[in-house]
Amino acid sequence: KNEVEQSPQNLTAQEGEFITINCSYSVGISALHWLQQHPGGGIVSLFMLSSGKKKHGRLIATINIQEKHSSLHITASHPRDSAVYICAVRLDDKIIFGKGTRLHILP
Amino acid sequence: GAVVSQHPSRVICKSGTSVKIECRSLDFQATTMFWYRQFPKKSLMLMATSNEGSKATYEQGVEKDKFLINHASLTLSTLTVTSAHPEDSSFYICSAFGTSRYEQYFGPGTRLTVT
Repeated sequence: KNEVEQSPQNLTAQEGEFITINCSYSVGISALHWLQQHPGGGIVSLFMLSSGKKKHGRLIATINIQEKHSSLHITASHPRDSAVYICAVRLDDKIIFGKGTRLHILP
Repeated sequence: GAVVSQHPSRVICKSGTSVKIECRSLDFQATTMFWYRQFPKKSLMLMATSNEGSKATYEQGVEKDKFLINHASLTLSTLTVTSAHPEDSSFYICSAFGTSRYEQYFGPGTRLTVT
């Protein structure tokens, strides 16, 4: 069993829809990252959080430490949001990555 | 916020040659940097931990003579893929601890294609 599970694996939605990507983990962590990987491969760090909620523009990330679960939300989704979203958890000095969620927003 | 850069972003090299990838922390000193590799349709995997001024610590299964890591300064770590083969074609990413080890910053990645 993977220590970091993301769902869904693939998601196609219409422009404007509210998007939720989930990340569950099975180990105690010190922090959780959400990364965005563009079709060309480039990685962008979106959030690092260890509790509560963070917001940046149309992106919102939440984490529930007790439930070992985090969600990434995208409001008013746009085709340029199409990318792979990767959840990564920090365990001491080690990072464990999820397999990613491939998001495709249709115009 | 802190920025980690990688150079080059894309590189194509011929089989048998060596290629060097640089990872730089642009506005902070990074005593510890990490190198990851992304296999197709799989998660990013840690290759090695690079500590400034000392030898890198490699994960099990990663050939240290194949993937040479040098962390000679507090802002630069390099990964050299020696005698590259097509199976080394992959996406390589570095990350670095920030000023406090709580913060970790990711580079944008380097796509290596070996022909």
